[in-house]
Amino acid sequence: GENVEQHPSTLSVQEGDSAVIKCTYSDSASNYFPWYKQELGKRPQLIIDIRSNVGEKKDQRIAVTLNKTAKHFSLHITETQPEDSAVYFCAASRATTSGTYKYIFGTGTRLKVLA
Amino acid sequence: NAGVTQTPKFRILKIGQSMTLQCAQDMNHNYMYWYRQDPGMGLKLIYYSVGAGITDKGEVPNGYNVSRSTTEDFPLRLELAAPSQTSVYFCASSPTVSRQFFGPGTRLTVL
Repeated sequence: GENVEQHPSTLSVQEGDSAVIKCTYSDSASNYFPWYKQELGKRPQLIIDIRSNVGEKKDQRIAVTLNKTAKHFSLHITETQPEDSAVYFCAASRATTSGTYKYIFGTGTRLKVLA
Repeated sequence: NAGVTQTPKFRILKIGQSMTLQCAQDMNHNYMYWYRQDPGMGLKLIYYSVGAGITDKGEVPNGYNVSRSTTEDFPLRLELAAPSQTSVYFCASSPTVSRQFFGPGTRLTVL
């Protein structure tokens, strides 16, 4: 079946360093790739997303890259801060016959930014 | 706007009991979803709806039922609770076919 693999499962970086989280998807029909940040005990919050007709998207310290040929996409966080500490989830999605999108989520990466 | 709201926040059930998890959104979104999140895992889609009166199964629908009588509300029903249904349940809604916005979650324990 469809799946999304996410690596690493945990990541510790020093404050100010960069963090990279990678996802690989199996469904070649996937064409929308959101990233969510989830703080402990809180709801997932959308932080950035990318569509399949774009190779890269940036929003301040956060960027996402997509390689459709290899079915890879990655989240890049630069100049990390302690408040970036959270669990990050990637997802791959495609339109369904009923007109909505079905998300397949990765298993998450716990990012710790050490002060 | 309150966004997506869920009740209750926490619930403990005994095996075999039934309950309904409530979800409501005030953003006039057509698309709504129910997910479960097991400890240390990602989210799994239980059911979704593309509009009032229309629902469909996700990845893990067994043991659950939904209804969508209005645009605003999308309740999730557990008929015979089992320990395997211990999880955090998130409802989400979407204004378009892509971006989804999540509610605060319901933490359910079945003993």
